[in-house]
Amino acid sequence: DTAVSQTPKYLVTQMGNDKSIKCEQNLGHDTMYWYKQDSKKFLKIMFSYNNKELIINETVPNRFSPKSPDKAHLNLHINSLELGDSAVYFCASSQRDSGREQFFGPGTRLTVL
Amino acid sequence: RKEVEQDPGPFNVPEGATVAFNCTYSNSASQSFFWYRQDCRKEPKLLMSVYSSGNEDGRFTAQLNRASQYISLLIRDSKLSDSATYLCVVNADFNKFYFGSGTKLNVKP
Repeated sequence: DTAVSQTPKYLVTQMGNDKSIKCEQNLGHDTMYWYKQDSKKFLKIMFSYNNKELIINETVPNRFSPKSPDKAHLNLHINSLELGDSAVYFCASSQRDSGREQFFGPGTRLTVL
Repeated sequence: RKEVEQDPGPFNVPEGATVAFNCTYSNSASQSFFWYRQDCRKEPKLLMSVYSSGNEDGRFTAQLNRASQYISLLIRDSKLSDSATYLCVVNADFNKFYFGSGTKLNVKP
């Protein structure tokens, strides 16, 4: 049973295009996250939603727009893709205030050409 | 100053060796602490949570020193399959998780 799933797993696209990545969790968690892991392997938080409400919004270009239709889903839409957007994007979920760990999706490897 | 600092390594050790990783964190109000493991081209996965009293899981021992804001991970009797990147993670600020940059471990036959 997949706990946190993401689609697509790989995404190759041209500069200037708009693309979306989807994430779903079946753990019953109330908080979901998007992270970016670049070529230097550093995991950087981008956004976090708790019960569909945005609670963390790091310094990310406004070309990136997250959307949470319900607490089990968190999507990421990226407009006008740039070369520097190439990275692995991980979705994660956790239960807020539980002190428990995050669970990660398998990642979406985005390559912008 | 980074929220979580780790030695990036790599640590190159022979099978059977004991290896220790350290991590320091800057926010004294941090509440939860974890070690994650990340294999190449895979997602991070929880290795173990770190408790104030220290905890052990088989060959792995984690320690927390709140006074020094320091977390450690000890791996005994290293296996080839332990080769991975180990991420120190600290939870603070309304469920914001801070990740270290990871320590790479290579276990050689």
